[in-house]
Amino acid sequence: EPEVTQTPSHQVTQMGQEVILRCVPISNHLYFYWYRQILGQKVEFLVSFYNNEISEKSEIFDDQFSVERPDGSNFTLKIRSTKLEDSAMYFCASRPDSPEQYFGPGTRLTVT
Amino acid sequence: SQQGEEDPQALSIQEGENATMNCSYKTSINNLQWYRQNSGRGLVHLILIRSNEREKHSGRLRVTLDTSKKSSSLLITASRAADTASYFCATDGGSNYQLIWGAGTKLIIKP
Repeated sequence: EPEVTQTPSHQVTQMGQEVILRCVPISNHLYFYWYRQILGQKVEFLVSFYNNEISEKSEIFDDQFSVERPDGSNFTLKIRSTKLEDSAMYFCASRPDSPEQYFGPGTRLTVT
Repeated sequence: SQQGEEDPQALSIQEGENATMNCSYKTSINNLQWYRQNSGRGLVHLILIRSNEREKHSGRLRVTLDTSKKSSSLLITASRAADTASYFCATDGGSNYQLIWGAGTKLIIKP
């Protein structure tokens, strides 16, 4: 069964450094998302992506964040200059032309 | 923005019993979905119910939706130890179907 994959599973970085989180969505899916979950808190929507552009973003998704689909398979989230409060689990999700979203296993980002 | 809230926050039951979790939300929705998360790992899609549906079944899962009360319930029948996990409801009401999440119910099934 096809699944969404994410790498790395755990990323440790120093404050102020740039990080790129990678996702490979399910191949025939059209819509892509990033969410994050700070430890012990709710899952929060960051951004949605369709047809090679951002379709919606939340207030969290400020200028420090960017997304890209550099080729036909990868979908990346870049945080330009990480802050301590960016420490969280980051989940990528994709869906076909139906509402059910399929999530990757997540990347745990730790900013020190 | 819409916000889902689940109750109870935690639920501990004996294996074989039924588990019921509730979710409330604030604004209009297209769909409501339930997800499971094991120990801070990935989010697994369980079931989706559309705003024009009132009840849906999938295996041991039964979901109800009451749009007049803006609430949903998830019933897991004949629980098993493997059902131990956190359960989240998530609603989508925007044109891009982005999900707005509840805080989750932590379910523990005692053998």
